[in-house]
Amino acid sequence: GAVVSQHPSRVICKSGTSVKIECRSLDFQATTMFWYRQFPKQSLMLMATSNEGSKATYEQGVEKDKFLINHASLTLSTLTVTSAHPEDSSFYICSAREFDTLGEKLFFGSGTQLSVL
Amino acid sequence: DQQVKQNSPSLSVQEGRISILNCDYTNSMFDYFLWYKKYPAEGPTFLISISSIKDKNEDGRFTVFLNKSAKHLSLHIVPSQPGDSAVYFCAASIGEGSQGNLIFGKGTKLSVKP
Repeated sequence: GAVVSQHPSRVICKSGTSVKIECRSLDFQATTMFWYRQFPKQSLMLMATSNEGSKATYEQGVEKDKFLINHASLTLSTLTVTSAHPEDSSFYICSAREFDTLGEKLFFGSGTQLSVL
Repeated sequence: DQQVKQNSPSLSVQEGRISILNCDYTNSMFDYFLWYKKYPAEGPTFLISISSIKDKNEDGRFTVFLNKSAKHLSLHIVPSQPGDSAVYFCAASIGEGSQGNLIFGKGTKLSVKP
């Protein structure tokens, strides 16, 4: 099946620094990728939809200036958490959408655990 | 307000027995439901789905049942195997072609004991 690679898997950073997370579709082109966040004991929550070549669409309550999304190619989307603070510590995960003869499928990355000190 | 609820955070089952994972939803507009399985350090992987026009979908050992009037769905795994031990997420969307707008439950951690 299709593979989505997400890096890094774990990052610890100091408060005020920026962290970049990469999401790559390895064997298919993804015009659309999605970024989610999951706090402990909570659901995976969609943060934003990343569209190749255009601006990302953010969900209500997600600050677009804080969570910068770049989808410059059909196989790569990046999420940059700018000026990270401890409350941004969470599990971030991406998914990429593929269309085939059976319809739409989502493939998820393995996630990034962000800890902001 | 959570639109998709998995009220059991964990479930333990003996190998060979049936595992039943439950999911409730509140939004009557949802018409497509999916189950994902997640192993530690990996992303969720698609397991099985069901459209609201059906009340049952079966794929090998996995069967999903949908009760629209009760806004309830369940995933049955028969027989359960130790390799099924994982976190199972229920998800719902409006429209089968809108998986990007999936609403996820919190997940249920299934442990299948040998």
